[in-house]
Amino acid sequence: DVKVTQSSRYLVKRTGEKVFLECVQDMDHENMFWYRQDPGLGLRLIYFSYDVKMKEKGDIPEGYSVSREKKERFSLILESASTNQTSMYLCASRTGMNTEAFFGQGTRLTVV
Amino acid sequence: ELKVEQNPLFLSMQEGKNYTIYCNYSTTSDRLYWYRQDPGKSLESLFVLLSNGAVKQEGRLMASLDTKARLSTLHITAAVHDLSATYFCAVSSYNTDKLIFGTGTRLQVFP
Repeated sequence: DVKVTQSSRYLVKRTGEKVFLECVQDMDHENMFWYRQDPGLGLRLIYFSYDVKMKEKGDIPEGYSVSREKKERFSLILESASTNQTSMYLCASRTGMNTEAFFGQGTRLTVV
Repeated sequence: ELKVEQNPLFLSMQEGKNYTIYCNYSTTSDRLYWYRQDPGKSLESLFVLLSNGAVKQEGRLMASLDTKARLSTLHITAAVHDLSATYFCAVSSYNTDKLIFGTGTRLQVFP
């Protein structure tokens, strides 16, 4: 079975902190994605990566950055957390363009 | 820019009834995916549609893709309570790896 693991289920951080969300997949997938999910807005793409050290902005990259130093790991970084970044964050991975994506269990981040 | 719209956003159905969820997208694509999300859980893949006219069925759910109309449908036949969940469609832009989701349709099936 494909496994996509996010490092935390719940996180509480203070405004201004630098926050790291980690995602690891065990299936040698090329593509990895970070989304945030908010009620009524569906899943919005923050960043995605199509190979090691390769990344592209999604629809809402402002306030975020990413890192993919190894194929299996994709990190989302909130440079200076703000309360409007309180959300559910979902990581996903897939083999390539024509395949389904597999999701991690999500990280519910609260910024206070 | 690729936009994906679903309707309705919320659907309350009686058991045994049929209904269709619609997914429209804004740019050329022939790759569309349907997912299910149960409350408090992550997303689970339902269907992968990779060509115009593709049709997939699993139990009471059937998905189809019309790339010319830029439209996919998820048809529910004789709904049962276990189908209560949020359903998302997602589209990959032509020739890129980007995967964009719709807003989701929250389905509630009642007796």
